[in-house]
Amino acid sequence: KAGVTQTPRYLIKTRGQQVTLSCSPISGHRSVSWYQQTPGQGLQFLFEYFSETQRNKGNFPGRFSGRQFSNSRSEMNVSTLELGDSALYLCASSELQGTSWEQYFGPGTRLTVT
Amino acid sequence: AQKVTQAQTEISVVEKEDVTLDCVYETRDTTYYLFWYKQPPSGELVFLIRRNSFDEQNEISGRYSWNFQKSTSSFNFTITASQVVDSAVYFCALSEADSGYALNFGKGTSLLVTP
Repeated sequence: KAGVTQTPRYLIKTRGQQVTLSCSPISGHRSVSWYQQTPGQGLQFLFEYFSETQRNKGNFPGRFSGRQFSNSRSEMNVSTLELGDSALYLCASSELQGTSWEQYFGPGTRLTVT
Repeated sequence: AQKVTQAQTEISVVEKEDVTLDCVYETRDTTYYLFWYKQPPSGELVFLIRRNSFDEQNEISGRYSWNFQKSTSSFNFTITASQVVDSAVYFCALSEADSGYALNFGKGTSLLVTP
């Protein structure tokens, strides 16, 4: 199976702009979660989508939004970028397997806001 | 309130030493999952282990072993005979039954193994 892919891998944006990040989960996985990683706050959960519906949301402002398509691919959007949005954005692909579940992360998108 | 605490920020050992990374968690759920992930300098999170709350059996995988103790809410990770390739940041994470697949991560422990 192919792993989780994220595009782009690196991105530089200017304060005030908006950005869209993409995540393609492992084939057959219906859940995609997004995380933000910064040196100060560590790894923080943004939101999770399951079968095109947002199932959980972390404590982030409304500038952060996402969606999931029928093929399970997900996009994350950040509007009105701030310097503090500079981070590594990771997505995770998950699926229930019997009584357990597996979750794998993509390589991340490193966003720099100048 | 922080749900996962990794009190060790940085650990430095010499190759072949054993090292234990501590993880203490907090939850009111009776059903939950605990994880360990490794993050090498490349940045990608590598899955190491998942444990559910009903399975307190310790696990060994090669040089890696995990000790899960519900009585102390701990899920510690031991690397035996450490190697330079083990140098990375290690994260412990908790997922609660009512939170879907959302993970609460600890702050991570940076492990440096020197020759």
